[in-house]
Amino acid sequence: SYELTQPPSVSVSPGQTASIFCTGDKLKTSYASWYQQKPGQSPVLVMYADDRRPSGVPERFSGSNSGNTATLTISGTQAIDEADYYCQAWDSSTIVVFGGGTKLTVL
Amino acid sequence: QVQLVQSGAEVKKPGTSVKVSCKPSGYTFTKFDINWVRQAPGQGLEWMGWMGPHSGDTGYAQKFQGRVTMTRDTSISTAYMELSSLRSEDTAVYYCARLECADGICYLAYWGQGSLVTVSS
Repeated sequence: SYELTQPPSVSVSPGQTASIFCTGDKLKTSYASWYQQKPGQSPVLVMYADDRRPSGVPERFSGSNSGNTATLTISGTQAIDEADYYCQAWDSSTIVVFGGGTKLTVL
Repeated sequence: QVQLVQSGAEVKKPGTSVKVSCKPSGYTFTKFDINWVRQAPGQGLEWMGWMGPHSGDTGYAQKFQGRVTMTRDTSISTAYMELSSLRSEDTAVYYCARLECADGICYLAYWGQGSLVTVSS
């Protein structure tokens, strides 16, 4: 089991907004990061410090963290956004915890 | 640009050990911690531990304590993750990732391409 809970799957129509939630007590005291992973590829950082986008990540990606829930939002979702998304937080300053992952389907 | 290049796929028998290497480039090796994450087939990401290349300090997930060893060779700027007493459940892709921290905010900014380890008799 995972200390951070994510829905196994989320579906969205092209052009619509997708929201992926991540819940866990660790989020009350930790920043959240999000990673995108496409089949056969390594994870890629798409959000860190709750709401900061790394260079090169499209503006349609945004993030937030309130209480014990972090949210990754993709506005105007495109087919290329179809992937698995993992949230990540910290349990103490050096221990990483991941969510179980959410498969985003764009249909 | 930052790259982390990992060693190739391995097939191991149960009870043996595997040692995966991770060679970063594009930055000074000793300046950023390396974390190791694995992913079993069709499963999610599982954090294994971290290693500080400058000091050699390590921290391991409780699940892997006693079975995992993370080391480095600064002369060739390479990090290693060794997992012993392998069992079939250890079949997974193993990733190294560079930790980036600024103002107390840390995240896994760069990832290696992954190393598939298959444990089979």
